[in-house]
Amino acid sequence: GQQVMQIPQYQHVQEGEDFTTYCNSSTTLSNIQWYKQRPGGHPVFLIQLVKSGEVKKQKRLTFQFGEAKKNSSLHITATQTTDVGTYFCAGQDINAGGTSYGKLTFGQGTILTVHP
Amino acid sequence: KAGVTQTPRYLIKTRGQQVTLSCSPISGHRSVSWYQQTPGQGLQFLFEYFSETQRNKGNFPGRFSGRQFSNSRSEMNVSTLELGDSALYLCASSPDNSYEQYFGPGTRLTVT
Repeated sequence: GQQVMQIPQYQHVQEGEDFTTYCNSSTTLSNIQWYKQRPGGHPVFLIQLVKSGEVKKQKRLTFQFGEAKKNSSLHITATQTTDVGTYFCAGQDINAGGTSYGKLTFGQGTILTVHP
Repeated sequence: KAGVTQTPRYLIKTRGQQVTLSCSPISGHRSVSWYQQTPGQGLQFLFEYFSETQRNKGNFPGRFSGRQFSNSRSEMNVSTLELGDSALYLCASSPDNSYEQYFGPGTRLTVT
């Protein structure tokens, strides 16, 4: 079945440093989403990418979807302590069918620690 | 709009028992999905309901079941609990024809 791998598993940075997490799918994706989960919290939707090569920005966060729609990345510029948490990518196989909206495959997540 | 709510928030059960978890989606969302989150396996899809019908199913044994009511509220049931069922169970709702998942706070289930 579809697998979504995320690296690195852990990342420790000093406040102000940049951070990047990468996501790779074993199959072509129809779309990819990114979520953030704070310690003790639940995943919160950040963004969705649909088009091949798409790049979207949210303030200090930049999201990219690969040309082949099998990989994605999240880059945070100048991290802050509020960025602490686990970042998950989640995707859906392009062959999953038109009614598979709720069926996402999540990566294992990257746990980001920011040292002040 | 109020967010997704889940009850109870915490639950302790004994091996062999059964449990029912409840989820109320965001108003207007007809799709409700359930996920299991554990440190070892991460976030795994259980099933999705839309308009009272199970629309998608993950790779979990038949002990895991669910249902959805006409007001879109959903319940999931786990029978014959095993120690490995200890996890955070997350419910998420989604607008029609959307992939975006809005998660609730989860129910932390501990099986002893």
